[in-house]
Amino acid sequence: QQPVQSPQAVILREGEDAVINCSSSKALYSVHWYRQKHGEAPVFLMILLKGGEQKGHEKISASFNEKKQQSSLYLTASQLSYSGTYFCGTENSGNTPLVFGKGTRLSVIA
Amino acid sequence: DAGITQSPRHKVTETGTPVTLRCHQTENHRYMYWYRQDPGHGLRLIHYSYGVKDTDKGEVSDGYSVSRSKTEDFLLTLESATSSQTSVYFCATLGGAYEQYFGPGTRLTVT
Repeated sequence: QQPVQSPQAVILREGEDAVINCSSSKALYSVHWYRQKHGEAPVFLMILLKGGEQKGHEKISASFNEKKQQSSLYLTASQLSYSGTYFCGTENSGNTPLVFGKGTRLSVIA
Repeated sequence: DAGITQSPRHKVTETGTPVTLRCHQTENHRYMYWYRQDPGHGLRLIHYSYGVKDTDKGEVSDGYSVSRSKTEDFLLTLESATSSQTSVYFCATLGGAYEQYFGPGTRLTVT
């Protein structure tokens, strides 16, 4: 079942913060986050396993709320280089392929 | 960078012709995947492989077949290309920390 991402698109000025959400109608085993710049391949950001852990990558961090079956990606003090489309991929149980959301397009402007 | 190459990078073909896309990796990763990416749909899994000659279907497998005779190569075949298969195709492998590494993609146009 494809996870639902929100918002679909967001425009930020440099230095602003953003939150991207990823929700599933089924229990989640893990959530993966990827970023894809225009014309390029997706690049792995981080993985979160069930247990409510939070992880960080530069000024990008994420949380995983197992009870709510959702994950949130936090981008703080955004930079121009953060522009791209962010995808979450979810696993409902271990050893199953990821199912990706439709993506959130993030544009950071000067 | 997991040393993933895809060939060809661009292809234009006619409806009804068979097409084979190749994915080659140098990291000896066990799992390999084929995705297609279309506007408004994100990344959708076509087929995946969990070892040599071990493959399974993804959510959009109709009209596609795969083969994996060596660890490093994963082939995707469109048996009879249709215009609905015009897309960007990405191959990916699974690293040791469960991260996926994606190839550069193949842009396929079926006319």
